[in-house]
Amino acid sequence: AQSVTQPDIHITVSEGASLELRCNYSYGATPYLFWYVQSPGQGLQLLLKYFSGDTLVQGIKGFEAEFKRSQSSFNLRKPSVHWSDAAEYFCAVGGSGNTGKLIFGQGTTLQVKP
Amino acid sequence: ETGVTQSPTHLIKTRGQQVTLRCSSQSGHNTVSWYQQALGQGPQFIFQYYREEENGRGNFPPRFSGLQFPNYSSELNVNALELDDSALYLCASSWGTGAGEQYFGPGTRLTVT
Repeated sequence: AQSVTQPDIHITVSEGASLELRCNYSYGATPYLFWYVQSPGQGLQLLLKYFSGDTLVQGIKGFEAEFKRSQSSFNLRKPSVHWSDAAEYFCAVGGSGNTGKLIFGQGTTLQVKP
Repeated sequence: ETGVTQSPTHLIKTRGQQVTLRCSSQSGHNTVSWYQQALGQGPQFIFQYYREEENGRGNFPPRFSGLQFPNYSSELNVNALELDDSALYLCASSWGTGAGEQYFGPGTRLTVT
């Protein structure tokens, strides 16, 4: 079955500390992988994506993610968190096939302490 | 470049009623996907429209239906509303079929009482 698991429902980090949000996926074909961020009451903003090639991808707002096929993981990282990064983060997987369906994880809520 | 817009922002309906939600895609995009996001959950795929045809559907009953117009805007219609239909409905636009880069609108918050 196709699925995305974000093991951490809630994470709290201090401003300036590093961040890693975990994402594991189950997908039968070659996956397309995404990270989105959602602020309260807002839609989702695309942070970064992986389709193929270099397994370390850079995104907006200083975020990066690494695709590890052997571990079925696509973890999101940021070296130094800012208070404005507090939000909900979603990992998603889709395929190169025709349906356009993205499968999302349940999300990780990031709280940033001053 | 115009982003994805959705209307209305909020909506309150009574169980059994019907509702229509609207989405305008980002300029240059020809595909619209709809998602339902229940409180505290990740979005769930409802369906995708490409060239005015449904191009993939998630696990939603037939009372969820849609349309795409020649200008690529789209509507989501839900008949016989149930309490569990209360959610944030998100529209995303993209270019072509497949799970490429999808850009989301701000959503419509539907409350069914």
